[in-house]
Amino acid sequence: KQEVTQIPAALSVPEGENLVLNCSFTDSAIYNLQWFRQDPGKGLTSLLLIQSSQREQTSGRLNASLDKSSGRSTLYIAASQPGDSATYLCAVVGNTPLVFGKGTRLSVIA
Amino acid sequence: DGGITQSPKYLFRKEGQNVTLSCEQNLNHDAMYWYRQDPGQGLRLIYYSQIVNDFQKGDIAEGYSVSREKKESFPLTVTSAQKNPTAFYLCASRSGTLEQYFGPGTRLTVT
Repeated sequence: KQEVTQIPAALSVPEGENLVLNCSFTDSAIYNLQWFRQDPGKGLTSLLLIQSSQREQTSGRLNASLDKSSGRSTLYIAASQPGDSATYLCAVVGNTPLVFGKGTRLSVIA
Repeated sequence: DGGITQSPKYLFRKEGQNVTLSCEQNLNHDAMYWYRQDPGQGLRLIYYSQIVNDFQKGDIAEGYSVSREKKESFPLTVTSAQKNPTAFYLCASRSGTLEQYFGPGTRLTVT
């Protein structure tokens, strides 16, 4: 059974810092990996989808990488801003419904 | 304007009453999903449907029921058999293995 782990569970950084969020999964037989952002009391917003044939995907200050063989993905956030404060979740896309990690709660301090 | 709508945003019910949460999408997605989110816990899958008139149980289906009579709609009923129904409920949809999109959620409080 696929399991997805996100470390750390919470992270606090000063504004302007570059940071990396980690996501690991146990079964490398995946189609894609998707990163989401969730603000308190809101639904999930899709940030990036990395297809299994890709190694990375970029959107603005966000860069996500995927290494299927090692079962890892990272989300890099450049020049963090207070508005980046949210919970970030990764999810593995396979034949079954998405399997989610529990998320990393990010606080960017001004 | 494409997307997923959930209504209502907040819902209050007395214990013992059934309640139905609405989820509508205009993205032409085949698959739709219902999740439950509790404070400090991850997303848990309740039910999902990959095609009209068909649905499957997720990890925590007990006390819930769904229908999928139209491609655009996937309502969730929280029955009185659900022991702890107070939670944040999220609906999602996707096409194949492409991006999954979520609605804004419904917060249900049962007293």
